[in-house]
Amino acid sequence: GQQVMQIPQYQHVQEGEDFTTYCNSSTTLSNIQWYKQRPGGHPVFLIQLVKSGEVKKQKRLTFQFGEAKKNSSLHITATQTTDVGTYFCAGGNFGNEKLTFGTGTRLTIIP
Amino acid sequence: GAVVSQHPSRVICKSGTSVKIECRSLDFQATTMFWYRQFPKQSLMLMATSNEGSKATYEQGVEKDKFLINHASLTLSTLTVTSAHPEDSSFYICSARRDQAADTQYFGPGTRLTVL
Repeated sequence: GQQVMQIPQYQHVQEGEDFTTYCNSSTTLSNIQWYKQRPGGHPVFLIQLVKSGEVKKQKRLTFQFGEAKKNSSLHITATQTTDVGTYFCAGGNFGNEKLTFGTGTRLTIIP
Repeated sequence: GAVVSQHPSRVICKSGTSVKIECRSLDFQATTMFWYRQFPKQSLMLMATSNEGSKATYEQGVEKDKFLINHASLTLSTLTVTSAHPEDSSFYICSARRDQAADTQYFGPGTRLTVL
């Protein structure tokens, strides 16, 4: 079946440093979505990318969708303590409405 | 907009009992709701897709007789864990799609189930 992997699994950064998580799917995706889950919380939708090569920005967050629509990345510039949490990508599939969640990257910030 | 609630937020039950979890879309109608399970420090695993007025579609490996799903209205889906066992202890999260054309799912706050 389809697999969506993320690397790294964990990332510890000093506050102010940049952070990147990478998402790779075993199959071509119809779209990629990113969610953030704070410790003890539930996933919160961040963004959706649909087009090949698409790049979207939200303040300090930059999201990219690969040309082949099989990979994606999330980059955070100058991390802050509020960025702590686990970031999941979720791949949408052609022909059905399901999302396949990635394995997640847990970000911790060292003040 | 797009608020999804779940009840209860936490439940502790004895082995062999059944537990019902409710998922409600508060400010929109959701023709499709999804049920996920998340074990500690792991990702979300889709259990089933719930469509209003029809039978749920279960993912491979998920026992439909153990995890009963009912989606009786456009704002409510329920998941009943029957004859719960300690290995069913997990974080159960529902999500809802606001409309057919949108892929975005809005997640409920989750229900933490502990089976003793």
